[in-house]
Amino acid sequence: NAGVMQNPRHLVRRRGQEARLRCSPVKGHSHVYWYRQLPEEGLKFMVYLQKENIIDESGMPKERFSAEFPKEGPSILRIQQVVRGDSAAYFCASSPLQGSTDTQYFGPGTRLTVL
Amino acid sequence: AQRVTQPEKLLSVFKGAPVELKCNYSYSGSPELFWYVQYSRQRLQLLLRHISRESIKGFTADLNKGETSFHLKKPFAQEEDSAMYYCALSTGTYKYIFGTGTRLKVLA
Repeated sequence: NAGVMQNPRHLVRRRGQEARLRCSPVKGHSHVYWYRQLPEEGLKFMVYLQKENIIDESGMPKERFSAEFPKEGPSILRIQQVVRGDSAAYFCASSPLQGSTDTQYFGPGTRLTVL
Repeated sequence: AQRVTQPEKLLSVFKGAPVELKCNYSYSGSPELFWYVQYSRQRLQLLLRHISRESIKGFTADLNKGETSFHLKKPFAQEEDSAMYYCALSTGTYKYIFGTGTRLKVLA
């Protein structure tokens, strides 16, 4: 059991380019969560997805950001036309069941740098 | 508003000394509190949660609703305890609210 996998681990983009971050949950987990950690801040919830459904995207910026979790394949967090303020560490977590009593297992994160 | 505060960015202690990492939360309902740890170059992993009332790697944390605190304690620090520690709050949903973290350095 390799745990939650994220790739790439480091991503460098120039302003205006697109960033695609991938997350493969723990095998058997059907709930995925994305968090963003800006420098000097705690992790902040962005979006919660189940297979083929976005359950809660209240923490995600309305523009340029989108997320999906298709029936097959990893969950993708997509940032279009990146700006310097998007530079952050993006963490993905997964759980087998939804609910506060269910532990979320975290991936190693993707560190995005926008030049 | 729900909030988790970890007032110390960095805490340095000598090996064998007691450790207390502070965590205060703001939430009017019944919270569920967690401590996560991130060792160097490793992923965030759950250390303990208050409902389990367990001790992991010698660490304990007690939820004090009167003081709205969930401080992490260990009586004798070890060098391998050096890591980033994050306190997190769940308000009964899947959204965790994290503190900014405290870096613990245990000196030889």
